[in-house]
Amino acid sequence: DSGVTQTPKHLITATGQRVTLRCSPRSGDLSVYWYQQSLDQGLQFLIQYYNGEERAKGNILERFSAQQFPDLHSELNLSSLELGDSALYFCASSAPDAAEQVRDYNEQFFGPGTRLTVL
Amino acid sequence: AQKITQTQPGMFVQEKEAVTLDCTYDTSDPSYGLFWYKQPSSGEMIFLIYQGSYDQQNATEGRYSLNFQKARKSANLVISASQLGDSAMYFCAMREGLGSSNTGKLIFGQGTTLQVKP
Repeated sequence: DSGVTQTPKHLITATGQRVTLRCSPRSGDLSVYWYQQSLDQGLQFLIQYYNGEERAKGNILERFSAQQFPDLHSELNLSSLELGDSALYFCASSAPDAAEQVRDYNEQFFGPGTRLTVL
Repeated sequence: AQKITQTQPGMFVQEKEAVTLDCTYDTSDPSYGLFWYKQPSSGEMIFLIYQGSYDQQNATEGRYSLNFQKARKSANLVISASQLGDSAMYFCAMREGLGSSNTGKLIFGQGTTLQVKP
């Protein structure tokens, strides 16, 4: 158990709908990362938040958005869903505090993932 | 642009034997970190081993070791004494930048599926 929790574990929805995926990082971790794993694109970095602020952005679609709340949990919102959005969405966390950012060893702990199926 | 290449889509190994999973990377940043993760059929991502670009010695973690050849830009994972539980997908990943320049985001390779035969 990595200490990172994600809900729901599975999500089945229809095209055009909107869903919210939730992530709770390890206790004390300030950074949250979102990744998408699909058969055709592999594992892709979507977005990172650090202590409530967006820190880095990857190949995240405009239909997708995320935020990190004061209690450090994060939500990934996916809207106008398409069949191609079906994937396993991972959340990861790292960095217990700001001082850890200067370490080069910045291990990310992954949650169990949310499997999204768009029908 | 940074890139990770894993050229072996699938590998077989006999139980108790050693196996090497290949990973090459491309980056122009002199500071980077290389990670290996294991993904069993249950789907979770399990961290295995880390190698920093400035590390002088190859990383080892139990039965896992990393054959780091910086000039060749390769970071192959060696699993010794394979066990049935090692059957999984293995991902090589890279993070550019260290310290305050590091955002932490990981770039992953396409993965290698390893099957351990009894």
